Amino acid sequence: DAGITQSPRYKITETGRQVTLMCHQTWSHSYMFWYRQDLGHGLRLIYYSAAADITDKGEVPDGYVVSRSKTENFPLTLESATRSQTSVYFCASSRQGTYNSPLHFGNGTRLTVT
Amino acid sequence: AQSVTQLDSHVSVSEGTPVLLRCNYSSSYSPSLFWYVQHPNKGLQLLLKYTSAATLVKGINGFEAEFKKSETSFHLTKPSAHMSDAAEYFCVVSDPKSNFGNEKLTFGTGTRLTIIP
Repeated sequence: DAGITQSPRYKITETGRQVTLMCHQTWSHSYMFWYRQDLGHGLRLIYYSAAADITDKGEVPDGYVVSRSKTENFPLTLESATRSQTSVYFCASSRQGTYNSPLHFGNGTRLTVT
Repeated sequence: AQSVTQLDSHVSVSEGTPVLLRCNYSSSYSPSLFWYVQHPNKGLQLLLKYTSAATLVKGINGFEAEFKKSETSFHLTKPSAHMSDAAEYFCVVSDPKSNFGNEKLTFGTGTRLTIIP
């Protein structure tokens, strides 16, 4: 089925470890996004990408790295996980920029850092 | 700067009665406005969007919202609630500047809708 797929759905890791969250979309959307969702903060943008090989920071980029070598994939890496990065992470895509195009979200990855 | 305020963190209605979820926004430009719904353990799904066309916007599952510039509001309504409507609802604002390299949507903090059987 076409759509946006995140993996893994659940991940437990230890402080200091590197972890990568995967995101794959089948629509060939230009834009892709990573958000984190935390109680009391709503959704906050970590990074976004307007096209392959073009990425830019969002509101809360510190401690995260992204890459986009192919249009359909947008992995998010936590270089050295901290407890404050315990959260639910959502990948999203849109055909155009966010003013005109709605976002299509994956089902999220629940990350726990112990 | 843009902002969005969802006036109720939690709304409870009985099945079959009307739903009203309130959203006020602030934007220096002519914004786009969206409502998204999130069911447990799922991602957000678009309900409807306003992008400067008709002020009354119809969405999926019988929901609609009215853009009122004078009141800076974009309230979400449904005539008759169904059990399957129980979820978290997010109002989202995007201004035209976000089309030029600043892809920042502003999400409200959400309204949890509970349906009483």
